[in-house]
Order: sequence, then structure tokens, then C-alpha cells
Amino acid sequence: TQLLEQSPQFLSIQEGENLTVYCNSSSVFSSLQWYRQEPGEGPVLLVTVVTGGEVKKLKRLTFQFGDARKDSSLHITAAQPGDTGLYLCAGDSRGGGNKLTFGTGTQLKVEL
Amino acid sequence: DADVTQTPRNRITKTGKRIMLECSQTKGHDRMYWYRQDPGLGLRLIYYSFDVKDINKGEISDGYSVSRQAQAKFSLSLESAIPNQTALYFCATSEPGLEETQYFGPGTRLLVL
Repeated sequence: TQLLEQSPQFLSIQEGENLTVYCNSSSVFSSLQWYRQEPGEGPVLLVTVVTGGEVKKLKRLTFQFGDARKDSSLHITAAQPGDTGLYLCAGDSRGGGNKLTFGTGTQLKVEL
Repeated sequence: DADVTQTPRNRITKTGKRIMLECSQTKGHDRMYWYRQDPGLGLRLIYYSFDVKDINKGEISDGYSVSRQAQAKFSLSLESAIPNQTALYFCATSEPGLEETQYFGPGTRLLVL
């Protein structure tokens, strides 16, 4: 069974701070996705990274895929209360994104 | 209207009861999935279906069964519910592609007493 470990599990910060969430595995993935989930809703895709070393930016969010395609990070600059939520990474080992292995999740709370 | 809907949104049942969770989608996708979410464990795949005639077991299929009644409908059944099946259940859909996106429903919160 492939495992994706996320750290930290919980993070509570003040508005304006920066943070990084990590997603690590011993397995190689053909692509890796990041989702955000808010209370009472299902996860929503933020980004997909497919190339080792790839960096993608989405406004204040920066996503990086490790060179060996075994790990990924999500960095948020100047966090805002609207960033609060559960962040999940998900790896696809077979290509096509149709059978994902989800990480354990990072619960982020950004306070005023 | 939501593209992926799940009913019921909340359900309380007793040990040994049979229950069905339903999922409908208007996205026209062939691929559908059922996941369960437990705190600290992320989402785990129960069953998935790539078209109406295709059903596949996921990581944790024991104690569950599914039915793909149509392209738009995928149901999950617990034949005899047990307390450790208490969880949040999500349905998702997708279309094949290099950077395939899964679209999730709002979830069903199930409590088995």
C-alpha cells in the first residue's frame, strides 16, 4: 500500500504569516495533486504537478513537485482567513489520475 | 445546481441495518468513485467504476457493495452496518486525461450506533 504522509497535521497561524505544508512518500508518482476541503463540502482541486522539479503558482500559493517525484510541498505567502481549510495531497501512480492515493491531510486555520 | 449530489447528507443507523448512499452527477462523466474519510487517514477508495458495466474494488471494499444504475448514478450499500463504518463518505466523478480532475460531492456523514 502506498502511503502519503503530510506534515504538519495541524497548523494554526495569524493572518499575514507564511507557511509550508509537506507531502512525502517512498513511492514514485506520475503526478501529484493538491486539493482543499472546507467544512461540509467535498475536496476541490487546486493544482496538478506532473514533472519532477515542477513549480506552479496560484496567486499566493506555490506548489512544488520533488525531483524524484516522491514528494511535494505547498507554500502559502501572507496567509488569509479564507485559506482556512483541510489541504490534501493525492498521488497518481498509474497515470491518468483515475486512481489516487490521498495524503493524511493538513488542517490549516488562519486567524485574524 | 451542484454537479455531483449525494443523498442523504446525514444518516444515523444501527448496527446490522442495511443502508444505501446515493450519488448522482450531471457532468456527463463515465468515471465514478466512492471514498470514505476518517480523521488523520485522508480519503480511502472503496469502489470505482469506469463505465456502466465496469465495477472495481478499491483499497477498502470489505463490507461494502456498489451499483452503477446509469452513467449518472452510482450507489454505495452497507449490507450490515457496523460502528467502524462511521465516517464521512464522498462520491466523485472524472473524465480521463493527462491531468485528470476528480469532482467531489458534498459528502454523507454516517453514524452507526
